[in-house]
Amino acid sequence: DTGVSQNPRHKITKRGQNVTFRCDPISEHNRLYWYRQTLGQGPEFLTYFQNEAQLEKSRLLSDRFSAERPKGSFSTLEIQRTEQGDSAMYLCASSSSEGTGDSFGPGTRLLVL
Amino acid sequence: QKEVEQNSGPLSVPEGAIASLNCTYSDRGSQSFFWYRQYSGKSPELIMFIYSNGDKEDGRFTAQLNKASQYVSLLIRDSQPSDSATYLCAVNRGGSGGYNKLIFGAGTRLAVHP
Repeated sequence: DTGVSQNPRHKITKRGQNVTFRCDPISEHNRLYWYRQTLGQGPEFLTYFQNEAQLEKSRLLSDRFSAERPKGSFSTLEIQRTEQGDSAMYLCASSSSEGTGDSFGPGTRLLVL
Repeated sequence: QKEVEQNSGPLSVPEGAIASLNCTYSDRGSQSFFWYRQYSGKSPELIMFIYSNGDKEDGRFTAQLNKASQYVSLLIRDSQPSDSATYLCAVNRGGSGGYNKLIFGAGTRLAVHP
């Protein structure tokens, strides 16, 4: 399967713990995005990488959130000191530089207790 | 006012009918528009995108764009029960360089009944 992959698929954590999610984009895609989706809402843009450069961050991405894409391939999203309001589906998407539509990964569902 | 508005539904149509899904957006400068389908518990799947005023057809799907009215729609012909899902409309607010920063509506739930 050459689609976008994300790990883990599910994560349950206690409030105050740190969590890290990984995204592996489609191999030839140099553009990578993170979105967050809560129940009953559409995905919300969090951040964008072109290769290893993080070119845009949403105001939704507080100081507790950090994303990296160190070699322009996979990306990680870390949430420090998790809060119950962080409970959501975290989606990664990628596209090629000729970018038309983005391909979404299966998502990581986070539950903060 | 939300940037992208969709009727939450559910929109219920009989099998074989045409389903019409509508979306309005507030930023008159928006240039590209996307429709995604999302099954319950799954991630969004791209159906099609449209840039120019008018219609764009792909199989049973037709996207329609009217920039003057800030309106985009998706028609699904010969609706099947497998089309039952939430349909997300998205507007691209990406910056220079042509990347996609998609602003999504909350989605319209479609139910196709046999």
